[in-house]
Amino acid sequence: SQKIEQNSEALNIQEGKTATLTCNYTNYSPAYLQWYRQDPGRGPVFLLLIRENEKEKRKERLKVTFDTTLKQSLFHITASQPADSATYLCALGAGNTDKLIFGTGTRLQVFP
Amino acid sequence: GAGVSQSPRYKVTKRGQDVALRCDPISGHVSLYWYRQALGQGPEFLTYFNYEAQQDKSGLPNDRFSAERPEGSISTLTIQRTEQRDSAMYRCASSLPGTGSPLHFGNGTRLTVT
Repeated sequence: SQKIEQNSEALNIQEGKTATLTCNYTNYSPAYLQWYRQDPGRGPVFLLLIRENEKEKRKERLKVTFDTTLKQSLFHITASQPADSATYLCALGAGNTDKLIFGTGTRLQVFP
Repeated sequence: GAGVSQSPRYKVTKRGQDVALRCDPISGHVSLYWYRQALGQGPEFLTYFNYEAQQDKSGLPNDRFSAERPEGSISTLTIQRTEQRDSAMYRCASSLPGTGSPLHFGNGTRLTVT
């Protein structure tokens, strides 16, 4: 069955460092991948989209890579700040449907 | 403009009762999604609509769950004969048409079945 895995343990890093979050998937051939941020008690908020023919996408301090051979996406936050502390979710979509499947999420904690 | 609106915000019901959860999407958004989210987990897909047509209901856990979007705008997720295992946060999201369009989520309905 389709499986999307993200680091289940929280990632704790110091302010100013780069945070790297991983999203691995199996039994799936996504046409695109999205990353969302979720704060406690709130719904997920869209951050970035990367398509299967793109290797890398950037937006301000955020960078996403997509390796369809490794079946993996990496999400980087450079110069991290305490305000970046949240849960980050990856989500995969196929090309022939609008159905979007989410991973379990990784909680990021940035310490001053 | 207004975001995705869900009501009620909280719902407590007794086991065996039926509940209806409402979602009012962003105006002009063609696609509407329902997810269920347990604490500490990612959203679990339930079903989605394009306009009024239900495109995929493969995530509905069993036939006690149903959803409708009769006029292509507001949607209702109905759970019949609720069970304690149905307790969760139910989230609705909407999006513009187009592959990869971002989902805009509401703040959810917290359902508790006692």
